[in-house]
Amino acid sequence: GQSLEQPSEVTAVEGAIVQINCTYQTSGFYGLSWYQQHDGGAPTFLSYNGLDGLEETGRFSSFLSRSDSYGYLLLQELQMKDSASYFCAVRGGSNDYKLSFGAGTTVTVRA
Amino acid sequence: NAGVTQTPKFRVLKTGQSMTLLCAQDMNHEYMYWYRQDPGMGLRLIHYSVGEGTTAKGEVPDGYNVSRLKKQNFLLGLESAAPSQTSVYFCASSAGTSVETQYFGPGTRLLVL
Repeated sequence: GQSLEQPSEVTAVEGAIVQINCTYQTSGFYGLSWYQQHDGGAPTFLSYNGLDGLEETGRFSSFLSRSDSYGYLLLQELQMKDSASYFCAVRGGSNDYKLSFGAGTTVTVRA
Repeated sequence: NAGVTQTPKFRVLKTGQSMTLLCAQDMNHEYMYWYRQDPGMGLRLIHYSVGEGTTAKGEVPDGYNVSRLKKQNFLLGLESAAPSQTSVYFCASSAGTSVETQYFGPGTRLLVL
């Protein structure tokens, strides 16, 4: 089975940097994805790490360490619109055609 | 492109009633998924399909059935609704080469009384 852990809530002010950690225990591992979901909305894909290291997409970056079974999503220059829930998700292997999601981290950005 | 669409958007059922949720995608994606989302529990996979005519169980399949008769459609059925099935249901699709990048529909809010 798959087990993912991420903090339940994070609060920060506009302009700050937030790091959301995700640790996983899985029977297999192919890659780590991140999704954003605004309140009342649908999840949307943010980033994917298949290899160790940092992936940067604008103000958002995602990092993976396969040896530590750990990844994080870094939100920089926080804006009010970044207030949302963020989910990490694991694909268990190349023959695994589904994702297992963490419970999500609610990020609240304050003025 | 409409992307992924779901019908209905909201439904109230009485215990024991049945219903079908429809998901449609116009991106020619091979894979389709049904999730349920409950407060504090993230997204839990109910069933999924890797192609027309094929389905597989996910993490929480009990009480649900699915069918994928056409590539663009994925139906989720509740034969005898229970209050525990009150939830928000999301459908998603992905290309066969990119399971990691799933596109979600707007969701269906289901209340079972």
